[in-house]
Amino acid sequence: AQSVSQHNHHVILSEAASLELGCNYSYGGTVNLFWYVQYPGQHLQLLLKYFSGDPLVKGIKGFEAEFIKSKFSFNLRKPSVQWSDTAEYFCAVNGGSQGNLIFGKGTKLSVKP
Amino acid sequence: DVKVTQSSRYLVKRTGEKVFLECVQDMDHENMFWYRQDPGLGLRLIYFSYDVKMKEKGDIPEGYSVSREKKERFSLILESASTNQTSMYLCASRALTGGGTEAFFGQGTRLTVV
Repeated sequence: AQSVSQHNHHVILSEAASLELGCNYSYGGTVNLFWYVQYPGQHLQLLLKYFSGDPLVKGIKGFEAEFIKSKFSFNLRKPSVQWSDTAEYFCAVNGGSQGNLIFGKGTKLSVKP
Repeated sequence: DVKVTQSSRYLVKRTGEKVFLECVQDMDHENMFWYRQDPGLGLRLIYFSYDVKMKEKGDIPEGYSVSREKKERFSLILESASTNQTSMYLCASRALTGGGTEAFFGQGTRLTVV
């Protein structure tokens, strides 16, 4: 069965610090990978996605992620975080023939002003 | 603008009640999903549907059922609500055109069972 593992439950950073959130997946076939963000009180929205091509993908708000197939990883990065990045971040993988998404447990990011 | 609409933001129900959570999408998507979100557990898939009247169990289907009579509407039913079903419920939809399409989420329904 497919699974997604996010390494950090809660990350606390100061503004301007660099961010890297880990995500590893287990799935034997071709994967499609996603990062979603949930700002306080808001619905989940897509940050970025990978399904083919350049393994370094850029998303909204300065986020990027790198797909490393040999490591089954899809880590999220941002060079300089802002207070407004405070949110919960979820990694997801496309699994199965019917297109369901499997989510990790999420990483809560708190950015101190 | 794409839209997934859940009928209620907040619900309070009594133990043993039958509860209906409704979700409507306006994007003509084939796939629809119900997840529950709990702190520290992320999003766990309850059921999904890939076509009208078609459904598949997710990871935690016990105590739930679903109905999809029309393409745009996907209902989650709690047959007999229990306190351990107190949670945030998220509906999502997604096109079936390949694996790289994103899922769109509703605002969520926070259900409290007392």
